[in-house]
Amino acid sequence: EAGVTQSPRYAVLQEGQAVSFWCDPISGHDTLYWYQQPRDQGPQLLVYFRDEAVIDNSQLPSDRFSAVRPKGTNSTLKIQSAKQGDTATYLCASRGRLANQDTQYFGPGTRLLVL
Amino acid sequence: GEQVEQLPSILRVQEGSSASINCSYEDSASNYFPWYKQEPGENPKLIIDIRSNMERKQIQELIVLLDKKAKRFSLHITDTQPGDSAMYFCAASDMATGGNNKLTFGQGTVLSVIP
Repeated sequence: EAGVTQSPRYAVLQEGQAVSFWCDPISGHDTLYWYQQPRDQGPQLLVYFRDEAVIDNSQLPSDRFSAVRPKGTNSTLKIQSAKQGDTATYLCASRGRLANQDTQYFGPGTRLLVL
Repeated sequence: GEQVEQLPSILRVQEGSSASINCSYEDSASNYFPWYKQEPGENPKLIIDIRSNMERKQIQELIVLLDKKAKRFSLHITDTQPGDSAMYFCAASDMATGGNNKLTFGQGTVLSVIP
């Protein structure tokens, strides 16, 4: 079974530039999560979807960040105008739809550096 | 929302000894407590988890204890090896139907096993 895939693996931007991250979850997983992980800190949830619906985006900075999952499969996270404080690794995770499938499986992440 | 405290932030142990990491949570509705290991430049990988219907779980050298009354859980690594050196994260979630279904992570513990 293929794992969660993400691209790109690395991104370097100047402040004010835009960037998009792409995630393909494990096949059949209905729940998809985007996390931001600053260096030497734990992952912090930004947004999560069940199928194509946003379930919780309360931690997503809505003025510059957006996330979509239009067909309930892969997802895109976009930063409209990056700031130095956005420097972090962006992790995508997915989880299965059955009641006993609690485990979240993480992708390799995209490491973003904003200069 | 849920908050998870994790201690210590740094842990150095001699090879062959035990290592213990402690976490506490606030939301009594939390019922799923995974532990992730993250090596430098890699994504977090699930190593063991425990649900609220258990007090103790062991997988080889990993032991997890859960005290629901005190809202504390802990990871114990017995007979540590240099390959156990990594960052470890605890997390808590309410995975019940209708629950928040999102992981709240602790701040992480950097474990160094000294040969």
